[in-house]
Amino acid sequence: KNQVEQSPQSLIILEGKNCTLQCNYTVSPFSNLRWYKQDTGRGPVSLTIMTFSENTKSNGRYTATLDADTKQSSLHITASQLSDSASYICVVSDRGSTLGRLYFGRGTQLTVWP
Amino acid sequence: EADIYQTPRYLVIGTGKKITLECSQTMGHDKMYWYQQDPGMELHLIHYSYGVNSTEKGDLSSESTVSRIRTEHFPLTLESARPSHTSQYLCASSVGKGKKHQETQYFGPGTRLLVL
Repeated sequence: KNQVEQSPQSLIILEGKNCTLQCNYTVSPFSNLRWYKQDTGRGPVSLTIMTFSENTKSNGRYTATLDADTKQSSLHITASQLSDSASYICVVSDRGSTLGRLYFGRGTQLTVWP
Repeated sequence: EADIYQTPRYLVIGTGKKITLECSQTMGHDKMYWYQQDPGMELHLIHYSYGVNSTEKGDLSSESTVSRIRTEHFPLTLESARPSHTSQYLCASSVGKGKKHQETQYFGPGTRLLVL
C-alpha cells in the first residue's frame, strides 16, 4: 500500500490563478518531505525540502507547508504560469531503517491554461 | 539544472534484444539510482549504488542488472527485453556518504523504452 497519497490526481486552472496541492502520508518515523516538479518527458526537479520542525518553506511562487502531527503537506502555487504545467510529486523519507528509503506519491498533474 | 545525462532518450526495440541504458553524472556523486515509472504511477526504485563496485537491488523486482565501475557511470542492462519492460527509466544521483537515501536526488531526463 502506497504510504504517500496525493490529491487531486489532476487539476486544471487558468493562468494567473492560485492553487493548492495536497499530500497525506503514513510514513513513520518521518525524516523529511520533498516536493518535486516533473515536466513532461523530463526527470523530477526538487522544489522544497521540509524537516520535522519546519511548518512553511517558500521557493519563489511555491510555498510548501507541513503538519507533522496530522501527517499532511500542501504545495501552494501563486499566480500560476503556463510553465507551471507539470506533475508535482510528494516524496517522504523515513529515518527508521538503515536505508532511509524514499516513498513516492503518484503526483498531481497540473495543467495551466492561458 | 543537474548535470546528469541519460541516453538514449527514446528506444523502440523488439522482444529478445539486449539493451543498455546509459546514465552518467559529472557532479562526483557517490550515490546513484535507477527508477522505473509508468504513466500516472509513482516511481519505483529498481537499483542503487553507494559507490564504485557497490550495487544493490531496490524495492521493485527487476530483471535488469547494473554495474558501477566508475563513479560517473551507472548503466542498466536488460539481457532479453520483453513487452512487460516497456516503461520510463529514470536515473538519479545524490551527494553524501553512507547508506541513507535522504539527500536530495538529482534526476536525469529519463529513457522511454518501448518493447514490441
